[in-house]
Amino acid sequence: GDSVTQMEGPVTLSEEAFLTINCTYTATGYPSLFWYVQYPGEGLQLLLKATKADDKGSNKGFEATYRKETTSFHLEKGSVQVSDSAVYFCALGTGNQFYFGTGTSLTVIP
Amino acid sequence: ETGVTQTPRHLVMGMTNKKSLKCEQHLGHNAMYWYKQSAKKPLELMFVYSLEERVENNSVPSRFSPECPNSSHLFLHLHTLQPEDSALYLCASSQDHAGGPGRELFFGEGSRLTVL
Repeated sequence: GDSVTQMEGPVTLSEEAFLTINCTYTATGYPSLFWYVQYPGEGLQLLLKATKADDKGSNKGFEATYRKETTSFHLEKGSVQVSDSAVYFCALGTGNQFYFGTGTSLTVIP
Repeated sequence: ETGVTQTPRHLVMGMTNKKSLKCEQHLGHNAMYWYKQSAKKPLELMFVYSLEERVENNSVPSRFSPECPNSSHLFLHLHTLQPEDSALYLCASSQDHAGGPGRELFFGEGSRLTVL
C-alpha cells in the first residue's frame, strides 16, 4: 500500500548550517506530496507541497522537489535558524487518504 | 477567528470520567478529521466526516465517540478511557474528503489529553 518513510531524528544543527531531511514514498497512483511542520505545543502547519513530478515546493527558505524517478521528496534549507527548531513531517495525499511519516525532530543551536 | 480551533488545549481526566473535545473550523471546508498523535508513532487517523457523515472509522475503540452536528463543528466524546489513551488529539479539515491534487489538511493546535 501507499506509505511514506522519512529519516529518523533527532537532528541537531548549528545555526546557518545546511539542512536535509530525507523522505521517500511508495504510491500506486499519482500522489501529492507535503511537508508539515509542528512547533512545540502546536498543531501541524503546512510548510510546502508539490502536486506532480518535478514540481518544487518552497516556503520560508525551505524547498523540496517531487522526484518520481527516485520516489523522493527531500526537504532542504540552505541556512537554518534557531526558530526552525520543530518536528517535520513528510506526507502523501492520494485519493481520499493521507499518509504521514513518523516525523523528524530538528534542533538548531546558536 | 480563522482556521481550525480546538478546545480545551489541555485536559486531565480519570478513567471513569466523561469529557468531550471540541473542534471548530472557520474555513468553509466540507471534511473534518480526528487524528491521534502519540510519541514516536505516526499520526493515527481516527475518524473522518464528509458533509457531516462519517466516512471512515479506523478500528477505534468505542470509548471514543465522534459527533459532527454540522460541517463546521466536530466533537470527540471520551468515556472510560485508559492511561494509554493519553496523547495529543488533533482535529483537521480539508475542502473535500476526496479532492483533487494538492488537497491539503489544515490542523488545529491539538488537545493534550492525560488519563490518570
